[in-house]
Amino acid sequence: DSGVTQTPKHLITATGQRVTLRCSPRSGDLSVYWYQQSLDQGLQFLIQYYNGEERAKGNILERFSAQQFPDLHSELNLSSLELGDSALYFCASSASTVRAPYEQYFGPGTRLTVT
Amino acid sequence: EDQVTQSPEALRLQEGESSSLNCSYTVSGLRGLFWYRQDPGKGPEFLFTLYSAGEEKEKERLKATLTKKESFLHITAPKPEDSATYLCAVQAGGGGSEKLVFGKGTKLTVNP
Repeated sequence: DSGVTQTPKHLITATGQRVTLRCSPRSGDLSVYWYQQSLDQGLQFLIQYYNGEERAKGNILERFSAQQFPDLHSELNLSSLELGDSALYFCASSASTVRAPYEQYFGPGTRLTVT
Repeated sequence: EDQVTQSPEALRLQEGESSSLNCSYTVSGLRGLFWYRQDPGKGPEFLFTLYSAGEEKEKERLKATLTKKESFLHITAPKPEDSATYLCAVQAGGGGSEKLVFGKGTKLTVNP
């Protein structure tokens, strides 16, 4: 158990809908990262938050957005869903961004299926 | 652009048959190289961080090594429970983002 929690575990929804994925980082970790994993693309970085502020963006679609709340949990919002958005979505957290160790610990993921 | 290439894509071993997985990388200023293990439908599980060329880390039957261009994950006398996908990732220095850039993984199957 990494200490990172994600809900829900599974999500099935229709095209055009909007969903929210939730993540709670390990206790004390200030950085939260979101990744998408599909069969053909592997693990792709979406976005990073540090202590409530957006720190970096990857190849995140404009239909996707995220935020980190004062209690450090984070939510990833996916809207106008398309079939191609079906994937595993992982949240990760890390303790520090300026001092080793830098490793990120991953949650169990949310499997999103768009029908 | 930072890139990670892992080989082979898949590897089948007999129990006890040692082997190595390769991770080649190009990155502008390596901050760290990470190895993860991922079981089907689960989140990646952290194994090792390597920071500089020449560094080695060990855990049970696994040993990770790092050079300036690649990393190896050596598996000694593997057991069926070592079957999983092994992911390599790099983190670049230089500030701004601590994102990980992942390879596509090596799927390891260990037969009893």
